[in-house]
Amino acid sequence: GAVVSQHPSRVICKSGTSVKIECRSLDFQATTMFWYRQFPKQSLMLMATSNEGSKATYEQGVEKDKFLINHASLTLSTLTVTSAHPEDSSFYICSATTDNRGAETQYFGPGTRLLVL
Amino acid sequence: GENVEQHPSTLSVQEGDSAVIKCTYSDSASNYFPWYKQELGKRPQLIIDIRSNVGEKKDQRIAVTLNKTAKHFSLHITETQPEDSAVYFCAAGGGKLTFGQGTILTVHP
Repeated sequence: GAVVSQHPSRVICKSGTSVKIECRSLDFQATTMFWYRQFPKQSLMLMATSNEGSKATYEQGVEKDKFLINHASLTLSTLTVTSAHPEDSSFYICSATTDNRGAETQYFGPGTRLLVL
Repeated sequence: GENVEQHPSTLSVQEGDSAVIKCTYSDSASNYFPWYKQELGKRPQLIIDIRSNVGEKKDQRIAVTLNKTAKHFSLHITETQPEDSAVYFCAAGGGKLTFGQGTILTVHP
């Protein structure tokens, strides 16, 4: 149980284009989803927290107008990287939880590797 | 906000030896401490977690200890095997997680 999928698994795009990444909880309802970015040989950096039906909470330094997050249902959250540039190339990973009260287990998606040319 | 420090950054052991990775955190409000294993290009996988009302937890060859007074927690892997080789991350939080910098564990046959 607690399977999280992401699509696409990898994407290559030209500078200036927008890219949408989907994160789905397949066998549970995710009250909260998290979006992380991971550069090569580095740790996971939280970008934002999203709850179904409400606006995402962004971490300090993350541009909310550049990284648009939509959590329209209890099983789907999307991250759109707008006007992507080469420095946005990274591994983007989502996670989902089923409990938004206190301590909780995060189940991770397989990640999306973005390369901006 | 929370700050998590993880040591060592790299750890090399012989098969069968034990491996210990340590983390410290800064926010006393954190109440959830998971450990993740990540293989190259893959998703992080939860291997064990501990919550603030427990001091130690064990699952076969893996154990985690938590000292809330000192704000540190540790991962212990016994009888290491080559397939244990990966990057290990600690995290702390409760609601959202802050991750440590990671430890590259290499187990030599």
